[in-house]
Amino acid sequence: DVVMTQTPVSLSVSLGGQVSISCRSSQSLVHNNGNTYLSWYLQKPGQSPQLLIYKVSNRFSGISDRFSGSGSGTDFTLKISRVEPDDLGVYYCGQGTQYPNTFGAGTKLELK
Amino acid sequence: EVKLLESGGGLVQPGGSLRLSCAASGFTFTDFYMSWIRQPPGKAPEWLGVIRNKANGYTTEYNPSVKGRFTISRDNTQNILYLQMNTLRAEDTAIYYCARGWEPVDYWGQGVMVTVSS
Repeated sequence: DVVMTQTPVSLSVSLGGQVSISCRSSQSLVHNNGNTYLSWYLQKPGQSPQLLIYKVSNRFSGISDRFSGSGSGTDFTLKISRVEPDDLGVYYCGQGTQYPNTFGAGTKLELK
Repeated sequence: EVKLLESGGGLVQPGGSLRLSCAASGFTFTDFYMSWIRQPPGKAPEWLGVIRNKANGYTTEYNPSVKGRFTISRDNTQNILYLQMNTLRAEDTAIYYCARGWEPVDYWGQGVMVTVSS
């Protein structure tokens, strides 16, 4: 299985600040078809995960441009700018390039 | 509005079976891959498997961790997704989510709790 390693495990941020979350995969996530199937999800307390970013850098419908994804191959980053209270929760990266799909262990974003 | 509503969870003894259902609405069900994902309390999600859409013959893929014990199926006349779980173990205890898509998974249900314990 492809192992997804997220860092840091937790992150404290002030409202209005900026943070970055790293996600590394144990194998390249470039699919034979040329796409890179790396997504980012946010799970707010007591809720189901919600999709933020897909195929590395594409924002899902309704997602603020304060969220941006970047990276290639095995190294990926999620950046959140101008952090708001509603951004708090656990962020997961996930890959779908190779079966079985796998997720990182999560990064908890908390208020400083 | 996309809605996914799981049902069928509960307490089951080790070795037992359970079938989860997911009622889907707000989109053309047959156009989409559908996945099952679970999340043990306090842990990361684990993808269980996917059933493809009509265009891809409704074929399935499974995580090896559950292959042979879990079966995904769909009723395309009633827009319901199923997860049949057999020979359940304590480590299968988790919240089980029905989700639209495969990669990415773009909508998740609210989840249903499955507890395997004697």
